[in-house]
Amino acid sequence: DAGVIQSPRHEVTEMGQEVTLRCKPISGHDYLFWYRQTMMRGLELLIYFNNNVPIDDSGMPEDRFSAKMPNASFSTLKIQPSEPRDSAVYFCASSSHPGQGDGGGLSVQFFGPGTRLTVL
Amino acid sequence: AQSVTQLGSHVSVSEGALVLLRCNYSSSVPPYLFWYVQYPNQGLQLLLKYTSAATLVKGINGFEAEFKKSETSFHLTKPSAHMSDAAEYFCAVRGSGGSNYKLTFGKGTLLTVNP
Repeated sequence: DAGVIQSPRHEVTEMGQEVTLRCKPISGHDYLFWYRQTMMRGLELLIYFNNNVPIDDSGMPEDRFSAKMPNASFSTLKIQPSEPRDSAVYFCASSSHPGQGDGGGLSVQFFGPGTRLTVL
Repeated sequence: AQSVTQLGSHVSVSEGALVLLRCNYSSSVPPYLFWYVQYPNQGLQLLLKYTSAATLVKGINGFEAEFKKSETSFHLTKPSAHMSDAAEYFCAVRGSGGSNYKLTFGKGTLLTVNP
């Protein structure tokens, strides 16, 4: 299994430009998560999807951020317009259904390598 | 709501020395707890998880963690540090009820191993 795939690995853009980050989850996983990691705030959950449907987007910082999951094998996180404070590493993760009982074993999230975004 | 606190943002040890990374949790229900490791320029990888089956959990790369309910702790240890253990380590707790899909992460502890 190739694991969670993210692209691009690095993105440098200028303030005001649109940025699109891409993620391919592990096949068969029905949960997909977008995180942002910064020195100041650590690892923050932005949004998550279940079966391609956005379930909780309470972590999305502003209307400039949007995420979609058109099918089970692809998701995007878009920032429009981008600002310097959006500079961070963005991770995508996927997992199977948490399940019941010993659900910890089924709710392990597998992370992609991340996209390092720099907004100048 | 569940939360975790990692004591010490940076821990430095000598190669061969004991590694101890601290994590305390807050949870209104029996928690599911995780330790993840992040190597430079990589994503997070699962080290081990606690799911109530056993209080002492063994993970990969010689790491283990002990769940202590009385202390609300889940500290990560390794008897002998190796240079390759240098990384950032995150403790996380799983949500409960309708939030059981969510993981809440600590701020992380950066482990440095000196030769």
